Amino acid sequence: DAGVTQSPTHLIKTRGQQVTLRCSPKSGHDTVSWYQQALGQGPQFIFQYYEEEERQRGNFPDRFSGHQFPNYSSELNVNALLLGDSALYLCASTLGPLHTGYTDTQYFGPGTRLTVL
Amino acid sequence: AQKITQTQPGMFVQEKEAVTLDCTYDTSDPSYGLFWYKQPSSGEMIFLIYQGSYDQQNATEGRYSLNFQKARKSANLVISASQLGDSAMYFCAMREGVTSLAGNNRKLIWGLGTSLAVNP
Repeated sequence: DAGVTQSPTHLIKTRGQQVTLRCSPKSGHDTVSWYQQALGQGPQFIFQYYEEEERQRGNFPDRFSGHQFPNYSSELNVNALLLGDSALYLCASTLGPLHTGYTDTQYFGPGTRLTVL
Repeated sequence: AQKITQTQPGMFVQEKEAVTLDCTYDTSDPSYGLFWYKQPSSGEMIFLIYQGSYDQQNATEGRYSLNFQKARKSANLVISASQLGDSAMYFCAMREGVTSLAGNNRKLIWGLGTSLAVNP
């Protein structure tokens, strides 16, 4: 049973550049959420995708955008990178609401560590 | 105001002993879920245990149990028989409300975490 996978594992960019992070959900899951975790902090919710639509969004600027594909995989795009965007980006997947018994347990991938210089 | 408070930045425990990691939460929604995750130095968040607000009994998963005191709004994680591999960051998280059929409301709100070190 394949877990959540993310790519790349590490990434180094410079200010002003754009980056795309990728996530494949756990087998059978159809909902993907993205989180940003700065050093020494708990994760912060960026947004969540279900049925290829953004369903909920956290307090992040429009520079952060995403997409979900028909196979449920997802991308996180960040434009005009700032030094403060350096963080671990975590992707989590869950079963959709028609499946779950509402534990809504989110299963996480290994993360992508983004460094902005 | 903090919705999830973990007051112990760091904890030490001797191998084979039990340890309790504290978590208090703040919500006015009667429906919510509480989660504990473990984050080793590798970075991956590992799900440990879940407690729903309407669950009558405290959740247990192997060596992990959740001491859920609803009136006090606390959801402490108890790890029994600590092992060296338990050394990691531990995060408490909450989902407020019920997920709609439209798939909304899956957001988790997180505490700052507790760093646990297990000594041999």
